[in-house]
Amino acid sequence: ETGVTQTPRHLVMGMTNKKSLKCEQHLGHNAMYWYKQSAKKPLELMFVYNFKEQTENNSVPSRFSPECPNSSHLFLHLHTLQPEDSALYLCASSHGGWRGGNVTDTQYFGPGTRLTVL
Amino acid sequence: TQLLEQSPQFLSIQEGENLTVYCNSSSVFSSLQWYRQEPGEGPVLLVTVVTGGEVKKLKRLTFQFGDARKDSSLHITAAQPGDTGLYLCAGDDSGTYKYIFGTGTRLKVLA
Repeated sequence: ETGVTQTPRHLVMGMTNKKSLKCEQHLGHNAMYWYKQSAKKPLELMFVYNFKEQTENNSVPSRFSPECPNSSHLFLHLHTLQPEDSALYLCASSHGGWRGGNVTDTQYFGPGTRLTVL
Repeated sequence: TQLLEQSPQFLSIQEGENLTVYCNSSSVFSSLQWYRQEPGEGPVLLVTVVTGGEVKKLKRLTFQFGDARKDSSLHITAAQPGDTGLYLCAGDDSGTYKYIFGTGTRLKVLA
């Protein structure tokens, strides 16, 4: 399989459930990202990992917990979510590495997980 | 706070018409990407522009990066129903991994 894959594609969960979203990239990239896409809002960056180290946490509530065990896999653990957390959660990857100078780094996205919190 | 404003927000046109979508910011970006997203799917990369003033063509799509690297445009010639989708621009903040996405332009091309 090529590119960036995400599972599950759809998830319905109650506010008290615990679930995890999985992302896998087959592009040999070193950086991985979680984004949230809600209706009528721009894509919101949530977390960034570069060489398995978290480099960005964009003020995300602690009910979202990321995990990056290696450069190819990224998880988003969910617990006690709120209905307003319902959205499309997108994973992306890019070459990553040192960002000095004007090195261009383009992101490639997975198909997303459509999350509904009841 | 860096923002990328896209205009128009919505666009509905007939097949064969031309259109231009704009992406504007007060911030400078080291590069800018354009994506197209279809319902229920992730954004698919169309192009990356890097140099101020750069023009790139992809079949009927023409992308331009502003001289000051603060804005960009996407021009579609002879639009087709297959061009329907959400068009997103994204600015790459040099030196970080914080990508700023635009507000999006939702295009519908009617047959």
